[in-house]
Amino acid sequence: QKEVEQNSGPLSVPEGAIASLNCTYSDRGSQSFFWYRQYSGKSPELIMSIYSNGDKEDGRFTAQLNKASQYVSLLIRDSQPSDSATYLCAVREPVDSSYKLIFGSGTRLLVRP
Amino acid sequence: DTAVSQTPKYLVTQMGNDKSIKCEQNLGHDTMYWYKQDSKKFLKIMFSYNNKELIINETVPNRFSPKSPDKAHLNLHINSLELGDSAVYFCASSQGEGSGEQYFGPGTRLTVT
Repeated sequence: QKEVEQNSGPLSVPEGAIASLNCTYSDRGSQSFFWYRQYSGKSPELIMSIYSNGDKEDGRFTAQLNKASQYVSLLIRDSQPSDSATYLCAVREPVDSSYKLIFGSGTRLLVRP
Repeated sequence: DTAVSQTPKYLVTQMGNDKSIKCEQNLGHDTMYWYKQDSKKFLKIMFSYNNKELIINETVPNRFSPKSPDKAHLNLHINSLELGDSAVYFCASSQGEGSGEQYFGPGTRLTVT
């Protein structure tokens, strides 16, 4: 069973701090990784995608990928109360397997004013 | 203009009934998906269509039947509803088969009593 694991949280950080969200995945052949944000009662929204080892930055968000360790993370700098949401890590199964996105159960982030 | 829309937003029905959920996307995408998010917030793929062709059919009871009349529409019909079908159902779309960069509709909260 291919899995994507996340700590459910909540992860509580003060406003202005760096929030670090982590994700591990089981299928070593996976090549594509995504972070979605889901506010309570709303639908998931794509915020970052990463395909190569290393860091990818977009505004206050940085995604980090380490395929050797099968580890993906999302850093949110200068956290704001509006960042409070559940962050879903998603991994696309290898092309020769299927095209499914496998989601983790999400980490709930609370940013305290 | 809403990119991915679903109707209805809420659906309350009794066990044994048959119901449908409709989804439309105006993004020009060629692939559409149905996901189920249960009470523990796990988001799981059910079906995927690419240009009206079924490409992902997860282990879902055959009481669930998707139908794609054209590439902008994907409907979900559920027969003989059961208590365990209560969940939020999300439609999503993407450009390209199996792209992890997916756009989600607002969701349909189904409650079976």
